[in-house]
Amino acid sequence: EAGVAQSPRYKIIEKRQSVAFWCNPISGHATLYWYQQILGQGPKLLIQFQNNGVVDDSQLPKDRFSAERLKGVDSTLKIQPAKLEDSAVYLCASSSTGGATEAFFGQGTRLTVV
Amino acid sequence: DAKTTQPPSMDCAEGRAANLPCNHSTISGNEYVYWYRQIHSQGPQYIIHGLKNNETNEMASLIITEDRKSSTLILPHATLRDTAVYYCIVRAPYNNNDMRFGAGTRLTVKP
Repeated sequence: EAGVAQSPRYKIIEKRQSVAFWCNPISGHATLYWYQQILGQGPKLLIQFQNNGVVDDSQLPKDRFSAERLKGVDSTLKIQPAKLEDSAVYLCASSSTGGATEAFFGQGTRLTVV
Repeated sequence: DAKTTQPPSMDCAEGRAANLPCNHSTISGNEYVYWYRQIHSQGPQYIIHGLKNNETNEMASLIITEDRKSSTLILPHATLRDTAVYYCIVRAPYNNNDMRFGAGTRLTVKP
């Protein structure tokens, strides 16, 4: 089966600019996660969707970050305006529900804010 | 916040078993233990998961203590390609299904 697709793979922007990341989960997976991974740290959960509804966004900096999952399939994560500390890898993952199955991760988008 | 604690780093000789411990003393009855690993510049890769019984697959074995407060991931014959950061996660797939990572253990397999 096709894996989790993310784009772009790399992005360099200046601070105060905006940026958007896209994720297409594995077909049929109801749960979608976005993570931020700063160099040397474990992935930090930003937001979790169940279909097109938000389950948990407690760690999403809502003053600058937003995410949506229209139609419960693919998702976008946006940062506006970006700060230097937003430099990180942004990972998307998806999993099915109804069973103790694993989550699958995309390759991530490496964002550098200069 | 992560619900697990792991040693920050471990070394293992190539060909020997690597035993990676994880403490999850506050685990709930509906939470499973999952293990993932992350090789440099890649997304995390699933390894194995279990509820209370020991589990084995082609990659590794998972040993969960009877009280479920800790577990050990065993790579039976570590190779250089097993050098990675290993994450232990507790997750309730039949409940809220959230998945939070800690800092993990950086395993270095040495020749």
